[in-house]
Amino acid sequence: DAGVIQSPRHEVTEMGQEVTLRCKPISGHNSLFWYRQTMMRGLELLIYFNNNVPIDDSGMPEDRFSAKMPNASFSTLKIQPSEPRDSAVYFCASILSGGAHNEQFFGPGTRLTVL
Amino acid sequence: AQSVTQLDSQVPVFEEAPVELRCNYSSSVSVYLFWYVQYPNQGLQLLLKYLSGSTLVKGINGFEAEFNKSQTSFHLRKPSVHISDTAEYFCAVTMNSGNTPLVFGKGTRLSVIA
Repeated sequence: DAGVIQSPRHEVTEMGQEVTLRCKPISGHNSLFWYRQTMMRGLELLIYFNNNVPIDDSGMPEDRFSAKMPNASFSTLKIQPSEPRDSAVYFCASILSGGAHNEQFFGPGTRLTVL
Repeated sequence: AQSVTQLDSQVPVFEEAPVELRCNYSSSVSVYLFWYVQYPNQGLQLLLKYLSGSTLVKGINGFEAEFNKSQTSFHLRKPSVHISDTAEYFCAVTMNSGNTPLVFGKGTRLSVIA
């Protein structure tokens, strides 16, 4: 299996632009998580889905952030409009709930820089 | 809700010396515990996990951790470190249902000195 795939790996954009981050979970996994890593706040949950349904989006910082999971193999995190304080590394992770491993597998992350 | 405290933000240690990275957690329900490692500019890699059973858990790269329920701790240890162990280490906790989010500690930066 290719693991969790995220794209792009790096994104540099200007303040006010729309940014879309993409994630393909491991095939067969039924839960997907978006985390953000910053120096100030560390690793924090933004939103997660079970069976493509958003369960908890309380970590989404503002209405500028939105996430979708239209099917079991794809999710997007969108920031519109972007601001410099959104600069961070965004990780996607997936898990097979009830599976033997009970561990989340992480993608390589998307490093976002908003100028 | 759960929380994780990693008591040391930075730990310098000489090569081939032992190391312990401390982690304490708080939770009102039973939990699963994890240690992840992050090398510079890379993603998170699982070192080891405690789900149930034996409280001493062995992971990759010679690391082990011991779950202590009474002290709500899950400290990570390695008897002899290598330069290649230099990285950021994160302790994390989740409810023992599997499909709930991880709550991470702030991380400990391990620097191995030659």
